[in-house]
Amino acid sequence: DAKTTQPPSMDCAEGRAANLPCNHSTISGNEYVYWYRQIHSQGPQYIIHGLKNNETNEMASLIITEDRKSSTLILPHATLRDTAVYYCIVRGYGGSQGNLIFGKGTKLSVKP
Amino acid sequence: DAGVIQSTRHEVTEMGQEVTLRCKPISGHDYLFWYRQTMMRGLELLIYFNNNVPIDDSGMPEDRFSAKMPNASFSTLKIQPSEPRDSAVYFCASSSAGGAGYTFGSGTRLTVV
Repeated sequence: DAKTTQPPSMDCAEGRAANLPCNHSTISGNEYVYWYRQIHSQGPQYIIHGLKNNETNEMASLIITEDRKSSTLILPHATLRDTAVYYCIVRGYGGSQGNLIFGKGTKLSVKP
Repeated sequence: DAGVIQSTRHEVTEMGQEVTLRCKPISGHDYLFWYRQTMMRGLELLIYFNNNVPIDDSGMPEDRFSAKMPNASFSTLKIQPSEPRDSAVYFCASSSAGGAGYTFGSGTRLTVV
Protein backbone atom coordinates (compact mmCIF):
# COMPACT_ATOMS: atom_id res chain seq x y z
CA ASP A 1 0.00 0.00 0.00
CA ALA A 2 1.09 3.58 -0.67
CA LYS A 3 2.47 5.36 2.40
CA THR A 4 1.08 8.73 1.38
CA THR A 5 -2.27 10.51 1.39
CA GLN A 6 -3.18 13.07 -1.25
CA PRO A 7 -6.42 14.85 -2.15
CA PRO A 8 -8.01 13.18 -5.17
CA SER A 9 -8.35 16.38 -7.16
CA MET A 10 -7.53 20.08 -7.21
CA ASP A 11 -8.13 23.01 -9.52
CA CYS A 12 -5.77 25.89 -10.21
CA ALA A 13 -6.08 29.00 -12.35
CA GLU A 14 -3.54 29.38 -15.12
CA GLY A 15 -0.64 31.57 -14.06
CA ARG A 16 -1.27 31.04 -10.39
CA ALA A 17 0.76 28.86 -8.05
CA ALA A 18 -0.45 25.30 -7.61
CA ASN A 19 0.18 23.90 -4.13
CA LEU A 20 -0.25 20.14 -3.90
CA PRO A 21 -0.23 18.67 -0.39
CA CYS A 22 0.88 15.23 0.69
CA ASN A 23 0.73 13.52 4.07
CA HIS A 24 3.32 10.87 4.90
CA SER A 25 3.09 10.53 8.66
CA THR A 26 4.82 7.13 8.78
CA ILE A 27 7.91 8.19 6.83
CA SER A 28 11.12 6.73 8.23
CA GLY A 29 14.40 8.53 8.72
CA ASN A 30 16.07 7.29 5.56
CA GLU A 31 13.13 7.72 3.24
CA TYR A 32 12.88 10.48 0.72
CA VAL A 33 9.80 12.19 -0.65
CA TYR A 34 9.49 11.91 -4.42
CA TRP A 35 7.06 13.60 -6.75
CA TYR A 36 6.10 12.37 -10.18
CA ARG A 37 3.40 13.44 -12.55
CA GLN A 38 1.57 11.71 -15.35
CA ILE A 39 0.14 13.70 -18.18
CA HIS A 40 -2.68 11.96 -20.00
CA SER A 41 -1.51 9.04 -22.16
CA GLN A 42 2.14 9.50 -21.20
CA GLY A 43 4.46 7.69 -18.83
CA PRO A 44 5.06 9.15 -15.37
CA GLN A 45 7.64 11.91 -15.22
CA TYR A 46 10.01 12.57 -12.34
CA ILE A 47 9.65 16.08 -10.89
CA ILE A 48 11.65 16.45 -7.70
CA HIS A 49 12.66 14.73 -4.49
CA GLY A 50 13.83 15.71 -1.01
CA LEU A 51 14.84 14.35 2.38
CA LYS A 52 14.28 17.16 4.87
CA ASN A 53 15.40 20.38 3.29
CA ASN A 54 13.31 22.35 0.87
CA GLU A 55 14.26 21.74 -2.72
CA THR A 56 13.79 23.68 -5.94
CA ASN A 57 14.48 22.86 -9.55
CA GLU A 58 13.35 24.16 -12.90
CA MET A 59 10.03 22.41 -12.62
CA ALA A 60 8.89 22.92 -9.05
CA SER A 61 9.63 23.50 -5.39
CA LEU A 62 9.24 20.97 -2.62
CA ILE A 63 8.51 22.11 0.91
CA ILE A 64 8.88 19.46 3.63
CA THR A 65 7.68 20.16 7.16
CA GLU A 66 10.20 20.02 9.97
CA ASP A 67 8.70 16.79 11.36
CA ARG A 68 8.73 15.38 7.80
CA LYS A 69 5.18 14.14 8.15
CA SER A 70 3.90 16.21 5.26
CA SER A 71 5.08 18.08 2.22
CA THR A 72 3.85 20.43 -0.48
CA LEU A 73 4.76 20.49 -4.13
CA ILE A 74 4.60 23.98 -5.58
CA LEU A 75 4.27 24.77 -9.25
CA PRO A 76 4.93 28.51 -9.13
CA HIS A 77 3.15 29.55 -12.32
CA ALA A 78 0.86 26.77 -13.46
CA THR A 79 0.12 26.43 -17.17
CA LEU A 80 -2.46 24.35 -18.98
CA ARG A 81 0.31 21.84 -19.75
CA ASP A 82 0.66 21.17 -16.04
CA THR A 83 -2.73 19.47 -16.01
CA ALA A 84 -1.85 15.95 -14.87
CA VAL A 85 -2.05 13.44 -12.04
CA TYR A 86 0.61 14.18 -9.43
CA TYR A 87 1.98 11.36 -7.31
CA CYS A 88 3.74 11.77 -3.97
CA ILE A 89 5.86 8.73 -3.06
CA VAL A 90 8.15 7.92 -0.14
CA ARG A 91 11.02 5.50 -0.54
CA GLY A 92 14.72 5.12 0.00
CA TYR A 93 17.16 6.85 -2.31
CA GLY A 94 18.52 5.38 -5.50
CA GLY A 95 17.64 2.39 -7.57
CA SER A 96 18.48 -0.10 -4.86
CA GLN A 97 16.41 1.44 -2.11
CA GLY A 98 13.01 0.00 -2.76
CA ASN A 99 10.59 0.59 -5.54
CA LEU A 100 8.23 3.29 -6.60
CA ILE A 101 4.80 2.35 -5.32
CA PHE A 102 2.21 4.66 -6.85
CA GLY A 103 -0.96 5.58 -5.02
CA LYS A 104 -3.93 7.31 -6.60
CA GLY A 105 -2.32 10.75 -6.72
CA THR A 106 -3.95 14.16 -7.13
CA LYS A 107 -5.55 15.08 -10.41
CA LEU A 108 -4.61 18.72 -10.98
CA SER A 109 -6.71 20.64 -13.46
CA VAL A 110 -5.29 23.97 -14.56
CA LYS A 111 -8.03 26.18 -15.95
CA PRO A 112 -7.73 29.25 -18.17
CA ASP B 1 19.61 10.48 -25.01
CA ALA B 2 16.57 8.87 -26.59
CA GLY B 3 15.10 7.93 -23.25
CA VAL B 4 13.44 4.62 -22.47
CA ILE B 5 12.14 3.17 -25.69
CA GLN B 6 8.98 1.16 -26.03
CA SER B 7 8.67 1.12 -29.76
CA THR B 8 5.17 -0.34 -29.91
CA ARG B 9 2.52 2.11 -28.72
CA HIS B 10 -0.48 -0.09 -29.39
CA GLU B 11 -0.74 -3.86 -29.50
CA VAL B 12 -3.89 -5.76 -30.27
CA THR B 13 -4.03 -9.52 -29.92
CA GLU B 14 -6.61 -12.23 -29.67
CA MET B 15 -7.34 -14.09 -26.50
CA GLY B 16 -5.10 -17.12 -26.15
CA GLN B 17 -2.31 -15.70 -28.26
CA GLU B 18 1.19 -14.97 -27.02
CA VAL B 19 2.18 -11.33 -26.84
CA THR B 20 5.64 -9.91 -26.22
CA LEU B 21 6.29 -6.35 -25.14
CA ARG B 22 9.72 -4.84 -25.61
CA CYS B 23 11.79 -2.21 -23.88
CA LYS B 24 15.14 -0.57 -24.37
CA PRO B 25 16.37 1.18 -21.21
CA ILE B 26 18.60 4.23 -21.05
CA SER B 27 22.21 3.33 -21.62
CA GLY B 28 24.08 3.10 -18.36
CA HIS B 29 21.01 2.52 -16.23
CA ASP B 30 21.33 -0.67 -14.25
CA TYR B 31 17.73 -0.97 -13.01
CA LEU B 32 14.79 -1.81 -15.20
CA PHE B 33 11.15 -1.90 -14.12
CA TRP B 34 7.94 -3.11 -15.69
CA TYR B 35 4.68 -1.49 -14.60
CA ARG B 36 1.08 -2.06 -15.61
CA GLN B 37 -1.63 0.59 -15.45
CA THR B 38 -5.37 0.08 -15.47
CA MET B 39 -8.22 2.33 -14.45
CA MET B 40 -9.21 -0.02 -11.65
CA ARG B 41 -5.81 -0.76 -10.14
CA GLY B 42 -3.70 2.24 -11.15
CA LEU B 43 0.04 1.79 -11.64
CA GLU B 44 1.34 -1.57 -10.43
CA LEU B 45 4.94 -2.73 -10.31
CA LEU B 46 5.22 -6.13 -11.97
CA ILE B 47 8.92 -6.92 -11.83
CA TYR B 48 12.28 -5.27 -11.69
CA PHE B 49 15.82 -6.15 -12.71
CA ASN B 50 19.22 -5.06 -11.46
CA ASN B 51 22.16 -5.64 -13.78
CA ASN B 52 19.94 -7.87 -15.94
CA VAL B 53 19.01 -10.11 -13.00
CA PRO B 54 15.37 -10.29 -11.85
CA ILE B 55 15.24 -9.08 -8.25
CA ASP B 56 11.55 -8.98 -7.37
CA ASP B 57 8.78 -10.51 -9.44
CA SER B 58 6.17 -10.57 -6.70
CA GLY B 59 3.99 -8.24 -8.72
CA MET B 60 3.70 -10.58 -11.67
CA PRO B 61 0.02 -11.55 -11.58
CA GLU B 62 0.22 -15.13 -12.82
CA ASP B 63 2.47 -17.71 -14.38
CA ARG B 64 1.20 -16.56 -17.73
CA PHE B 65 3.47 -13.54 -17.32
CA SER B 66 7.23 -13.77 -17.72
CA ALA B 67 9.98 -11.22 -18.18
CA LYS B 68 13.55 -11.45 -19.35
CA MET B 69 16.51 -9.16 -19.66
CA PRO B 70 19.09 -10.93 -21.85
CA ASN B 71 21.41 -7.92 -21.87
CA ALA B 72 21.70 -4.40 -20.51
CA SER B 73 19.96 -2.84 -23.47
CA PHE B 74 16.87 -4.98 -23.90
CA SER B 75 14.02 -6.47 -21.90
CA THR B 76 10.84 -8.31 -22.77
CA LEU B 77 7.57 -8.95 -20.99
CA LYS B 78 5.67 -11.92 -22.35
CA ILE B 79 2.11 -12.98 -21.72
CA GLN B 80 1.18 -16.48 -22.80
CA PRO B 81 -1.68 -17.11 -23.20
CA SER B 82 -3.18 -13.65 -23.16
CA GLU B 83 -6.62 -12.91 -21.70
CA PRO B 84 -8.93 -9.90 -22.05
CA ARG B 85 -8.24 -8.89 -18.44
CA ASP B 86 -4.60 -8.36 -19.38
CA SER B 87 -5.66 -5.32 -21.40
CA ALA B 88 -3.77 -2.38 -19.91
CA VAL B 89 -0.97 0.06 -20.56
CA TYR B 90 2.40 -1.48 -19.82
CA PHE B 91 5.24 0.86 -18.92
CA CYS B 92 8.92 0.18 -18.79
CA ALA B 93 11.21 2.39 -16.68
CA SER B 94 14.91 2.50 -15.93
CA SER B 95 17.14 4.14 -13.37
CA SER B 96 20.69 4.13 -12.10
CA ALA B 97 21.75 3.05 -8.63
CA GLY B 98 22.82 6.53 -7.70
CA GLY B 99 20.12 8.33 -9.57
CA ALA B 100 17.14 10.08 -8.11
CA GLY B 101 14.33 9.44 -10.50
CA TYR B 102 13.04 6.76 -12.78
CA THR B 103 12.68 7.49 -16.48
CA PHE B 104 9.57 5.93 -17.96
CA GLY B 105 8.89 4.95 -21.52
CA SER B 106 5.78 6.09 -23.33
CA GLY B 107 4.05 2.79 -22.68
CA THR B 108 2.44 0.07 -24.77
CA ARG B 109 -1.35 -0.10 -24.74
CA LEU B 110 -2.28 -3.76 -24.95
CA THR B 111 -5.76 -4.77 -25.99
CA VAL B 112 -6.71 -8.43 -25.83
CA VAL B 113 -9.91 -9.19 -27.74
